[in-house]
Amino acid sequence: EDQVTQSPEALRLQEGESSSLNCSYTVSGLRGLFWYRQDPGKGPEFLFTLYSAGEEKEKERLKATLTKKESFLHITAPKPEDSATYLCAVLRPGGYQKVTFGTGTKLQVIP
Amino acid sequence: GAVVSQHPSWVICKSGTSVKIECRSLDFQATTMFWYRQFPKQSLMLMATSNEGSKATYEQGVEKDKFLINHASLTLSTLTVTSAHPEDSSFYICSAPAGGGAGETQYFGPGTRLLVL
Repeated sequence: EDQVTQSPEALRLQEGESSSLNCSYTVSGLRGLFWYRQDPGKGPEFLFTLYSAGEEKEKERLKATLTKKESFLHITAPKPEDSATYLCAVLRPGGYQKVTFGTGTKLQVIP
Repeated sequence: GAVVSQHPSWVICKSGTSVKIECRSLDFQATTMFWYRQFPKQSLMLMATSNEGSKATYEQGVEKDKFLINHASLTLSTLTVTSAHPEDSSFYICSAPAGGGAGETQYFGPGTRLLVL
């Protein structure tokens, strides 16, 4: 059974203090891994899609990387507006477009 | 980017009543949409897959007679929570894949908060 585990559960950073969030997955034949940002009371907002090991994607202060077992979301010099829950999800094997979500990392950036 | 809307954003109802939630893809067509529920401080749990022109498929443990899904067109799916009870109170979110290719990205609606009294 595919599993997606995110760590840490919560992370508190000072503004400007760079860090990384981890997403470990166990799924045979990864077809795609997604990163989303979710603000309280809102639906997830798409950030990145990664398809194969070694792939990297960047957007402003965020950079997502992928290996055969895990993905990292690197946050460089974060700002308070980066505070949110970051969710990782993987496409299920043979499940067409169904995805399995991790439990998320709640990030708080303090001014 | 692809936009998905939901209506209503908030609904409060009495126990025993039915509630309908709409999910629309605004700038793309979606033959498939997904419905999730999210409890406080938990992640999204897939409830069912909505298929345009055919029956919805439900995840294990989800009562299909309780959560009725209708995919009326290529841009609209509805979720009806029948005979709602307080334990059905949750955050319901829909998504639709867009972008083409085997690993299509899911775009999510803003969610609907349901409170059953």
